[in-house]
Amino acid sequence: EVQLVQSGGGLVQPGGSLRLSCATSGFIFSRYWMTWARQSPGKGLEWVATIKVDGSEAYYVDSVKGRFTISRDNAKDSLSLQMSSLRPEDTAVYYCGRAPHRYENNRWYLHFDSWGQGTLVTVSS
Amino acid sequence: QPVVTQSSSASASLGSPVKLTCTLNSGHSDYSIAWHQQQPGKAPQFLMKIEGSGNYIKGGGVPDRFSGSTSGADRYLTISNLQFEDEADYYCETWDRNVFIFGGGTRLTVL
Repeated sequence: EVQLVQSGGGLVQPGGSLRLSCATSGFIFSRYWMTWARQSPGKGLEWVATIKVDGSEAYYVDSVKGRFTISRDNAKDSLSLQMSSLRPEDTAVYYCGRAPHRYENNRWYLHFDSWGQGTLVTVSS
Repeated sequence: QPVVTQSSSASASLGSPVKLTCTLNSGHSDYSIAWHQQQPGKAPQFLMKIEGSGNYIKGGGVPDRFSGSTSGADRYLTISNLQFEDEADYYCETWDRNVFIFGGGTRLTVL
């Protein structure tokens, strides 16, 4: 059974830092792109970041570029999101996700196919 | 124009069918998308991936009454025999040029 179990999160002051973790099991972690998404209170889902299987490339939504870093440890089957210079608008429930991928017609095809349980990050003074 | 658009709300009666639509904009009409269900207070759950060809692949454990289809740039999620537990937000998403794009979500109400 595929499992993504998140930890981290909590209350942090504006300008502060926080690290989210996502421990995985039930699949070969090193074969999947992994991703983070978030959901602000009462709002829809928003993609945050995605990392390739070997960590060689990562992609970010413009609003977090330079502040957030997605990383992975294939030896420990784990994914992380290091967040710094946090802003009140970063307040959200954050979800890790697994993203099966394939390359076809000169482009990558990905989608979310498993989600973590979510962890709340609140940025407030 | 957003890459994917969804109606903000839909409603249908218990036991009846409902069809939700995710529309891809021009230039993306052949893209595959995925549908996710988010019940109140819970994490999203993957329902299915739908290809531009119309083929769809469901996630494990997704009931048979959920199905997918395609017509041009539209990707449909059809729920037959609607149940109260199907009342939820439904999101479609796709990947384009190194970015995941989510639709705004459709809130489904079961009457």
